[in-house]
Amino acid sequence: EPEVTQTPSHQVTQMGQEVILRCVPISNHLYFYWYRQILGQKVEFLVSFYNNEISEKSEIFDDQFSVERPDGSNFTLKIRSTKLEDSAMYFCASSPLAGEPSPYFGPGTRLTVT
Amino acid sequence: LAKTTQPISMDSYEGQEVNITCSHNNIATNDYITWYQQFPSQGPRFIIQGYKTKVTNEVASLFIPADRKSSTLSLPRVSLSDTAVYYCLVGDPYGNKLVFGAGTILRVKS
Repeated sequence: EPEVTQTPSHQVTQMGQEVILRCVPISNHLYFYWYRQILGQKVEFLVSFYNNEISEKSEIFDDQFSVERPDGSNFTLKIRSTKLEDSAMYFCASSPLAGEPSPYFGPGTRLTVT
Repeated sequence: LAKTTQPISMDSYEGQEVNITCSHNNIATNDYITWYQQFPSQGPRFIIQGYKTKVTNEVASLFIPADRKSSTLSLPRVSLSDTAVYYCLVGDPYGNKLVFGAGTILRVKS
């Protein structure tokens, strides 16, 4: 069964540093998403991406965040200057244009900002 | 976006059928109902999705009444490994900007 994959599984960084979280969506999917979940809290939508541009974003997704699909297979989330409160699990998800219901989530990257 | 209401937690025993009901009084005409399962430190896992009436797959059934203001996820013969958080969501079928609530913590006991 196809899966969304994410790397790394755990990233530790110092406050103020830039981090890039990587995702490989399912190959025939066209919608891509990032969600996050702070420990013990709800899963929160960050951004959706379709046709090489952001289609929706939440209030959390401010100027410190950016997304990119650099090579047709990877989908990345960049946090330019990390804050302590960015510590969370970050989930990538993808869905097809039509057909099977979706989206399918990846296993997540645990980001720890110290 | 429609808000959903689910029980905070439920307890069951192995082999029993579990029904988790979700209220979504403000569901829009174009909204679908989707259920996810989440284990600790893992991503949400898609269980089932429906628009109206009944949908069944290999792991669950989803019952949606005609007014679509609620839905019930039915898990037949649960096992210990079904202990997880279950989320009910409403929105477009492609999952754009899904709003997760607190979910229902299902504890399956032996």
